[in-house]
Amino acid sequence: GAVVSQHPSWVICKSGTSVKIECRSLDFQATTMFWYRQFPKQSLMLMATSNEGSKATYEQGVEKDKFLINHASLTLSTLTVTSAHPEDSSFYICSARVASGRAWGELFFGEGSRLTVL
Amino acid sequence: DAKTTQPTSMDCAEGRAANLPCNHSTISGNEYVYWYRQIHSQGPQYIIHGLKNNETNEMASLIITEDRKSSTLILPHATLRDTAVYYCIVRGSPSQRGSSNTGKLIFGQGTTLQVKP
Repeated sequence: GAVVSQHPSWVICKSGTSVKIECRSLDFQATTMFWYRQFPKQSLMLMATSNEGSKATYEQGVEKDKFLINHASLTLSTLTVTSAHPEDSSFYICSARVASGRAWGELFFGEGSRLTVL
Repeated sequence: DAKTTQPTSMDCAEGRAANLPCNHSTISGNEYVYWYRQIHSQGPQYIIHGLKNNETNEMASLIITEDRKSSTLILPHATLRDTAVYYCIVRGSPSQRGSSNTGKLIFGQGTTLQVKP
């Protein structure tokens, strides 16, 4: 299957700082990537849809100024948590949608990035 | 996308078949049934998907009822490494083009499968 890599795998930061998480599709192009957040013992919650070359689409209740998404190339999307606070501590997961070829439209997930805000 | 209903948790003995049910009574004709699983602290892993015919791959089998209102994921010989949360998701055709279809997956609560020795 296709590989999606997230970096960093885990990060600890101080309250008030910003943290950037990268999501890369390693062996395919992805015009669309999705960002999820998962709190302990809960399911994945879709935060936003990231589209290459255009603005992200945010789900209801997700602050776009708080969670900045950039999808500058067909293999990279970034999520920046701005002015992070302890309540932003969570497991952030991305998925990438295959843009061409036999697996067109299928989704593959990254390993997740665990953010802890002190 | 249609909503799915799954049992909260299930147990299975190691080496036995694990049968995980999913109800999707509001599924529409062009929607697929997808199964993913998530092992603790990892990203979701694709297992299998189908439209109306039963499907099998190296990981599992998917049985979809004739009316398509429910399905069952079968892990033929469960191992301890199969302990995970299993998500059944209904999704429009992945190859459907058009701006209205982003192909996103909406996760429910899933079934926590505990495989016991």
